[in-house]
Amino acid sequence: QVTLRESGPALVKPTQTLTLTCTFSGFSLTTTKMCVNWIRQPPGKALEWLARIDWDDDKYYTPSLKTRLTISKDTSINQVVLTMTNMDPVDTATYYCARTVAGPDYLDYWGQGTLVTVSS
Amino acid sequence: QSVLTQPPSVSAASGQKVTISCSGSSSNIGSKYVSWYQQFPGTAPKLLIYENTKRPSGIPDRFSASKSGTSATLGITGLQTGDEADYYCGTWDTSLSNGVFGGGTKLTVL
Repeated sequence: QVTLRESGPALVKPTQTLTLTCTFSGFSLTTTKMCVNWIRQPPGKALEWLARIDWDDDKYYTPSLKTRLTISKDTSINQVVLTMTNMDPVDTATYYCARTVAGPDYLDYWGQGTLVTVSS
Repeated sequence: QSVLTQPPSVSAASGQKVTISCSGSSSNIGSKYVSWYQQFPGTAPKLLIYENTKRPSGIPDRFSASKSGTSATLGITGLQTGDEADYYCGTWDTSLSNGVFGGGTKLTVL
């Protein structure tokens, strides 16, 4: 059974760095073609893909946020971490992690999401 | 501004059929598989269609999809009030080297 769960602060101040953790089970990021993505959704708005890390440690970022994002993995404890620097109120959103199999690239399992509010 | 273009909303009567379009380019839909996601308010998106036309286990065959060139279409037949949700198309963009979504379509069942 594949599960993913996001964790992190519910509230961050402007200019701070956000660190989110995706803890997963039911698959391994050492398995060929396995990947974990981060996606966010501002309140009332559309999904926005942010980043992906692959089984071979390849990393991909959305161009508009590339300078602020870092994705990493710890395969020994089945976690993927996303950091986003210089947070702004416009970054207020629900952040999701989701699994992908590289190639078909569909997001077959999602976490429940975690709402992050950026406010002073 | 989303890379993939969807209509903001569609509506149809209960029991009828509706289609939702998703338009992209040669670097995304034109060269990669398309997937579709269903999202109810306050919940995470759920995979509805993968690899252009395939349904995951548990998704009723009232949901179907197709792809032609740089566009994809989701179809829902026998509409039910429980189908009222937001629907998103998604794929990978080979030029951007990142995932992309449509802006989402809100389905209303009249």
